[in-house]
Amino acid sequence: DSGVTQTPKHLITATGQRVTLRCSPRSGDLSVYWYQQSLDQGLQFLIQYYNGEERAKGNILERFSAQQFPDLHSELNLSSLELGDSALYFCASSGQGENSPLHFGNGTRLTVT
Amino acid sequence: ILNVEQSPQSLHVQEGDSTNFTCSFPSSNFYALHWYRWETAKSPEALFVMTLNGDEKKKGRISATLNTKEGYSYLYIKGSQPEDSATYLCASNTGFQKLVFGTGTRLLVSP
Repeated sequence: DSGVTQTPKHLITATGQRVTLRCSPRSGDLSVYWYQQSLDQGLQFLIQYYNGEERAKGNILERFSAQQFPDLHSELNLSSLELGDSALYFCASSGQGENSPLHFGNGTRLTVT
Repeated sequence: ILNVEQSPQSLHVQEGDSTNFTCSFPSSNFYALHWYRWETAKSPEALFVMTLNGDEKKKGRISATLNTKEGYSYLYIKGSQPEDSATYLCASNTGFQKLVFGTGTRLLVSP
């Protein structure tokens, strides 16, 4: 158990809808990362937060947004969903060192129909 | 190299075989190289984080080396066991813990 909790485990929704994925980091970790894994692709970095502030941004679509709350949990909001957004979305957290390993949650499997 | 590349894509070995995989990454803008082990239906787990050229790390039967000048890392598994079956991911930290992942090497170890 990595200590990172993601909910829900599975989500099935229709095109055009909006969903929210939730992540609670490991106790004591200030950094939260969101990754997307589509079929046959590697883990794609979406966005990173550190102690409530956005720290780095990857190839995150404008339809997607995220935030980290004062209690350090994070939410990833996906709107105007398209079929191509179907993927496994991982949250990870890490300690304060610049080269700390990432600890991943079990992921949320999103299916857009 | 603009991306992180891993080879081979998949590997099937017999129990007891030793094996190794390669991770190639851009040698510029390098901060650290991570290796993760990802078992089916689980989440990726960190194996190693390496930063220095010539770094060598070991965890049980698994070890890794790093060459930052030429931009590659090798992961070795000695005496593979069926429980080593997993996808092995490497990722390059390009700054601020922004990790660029390879697509992984899928290892299957048959008894």
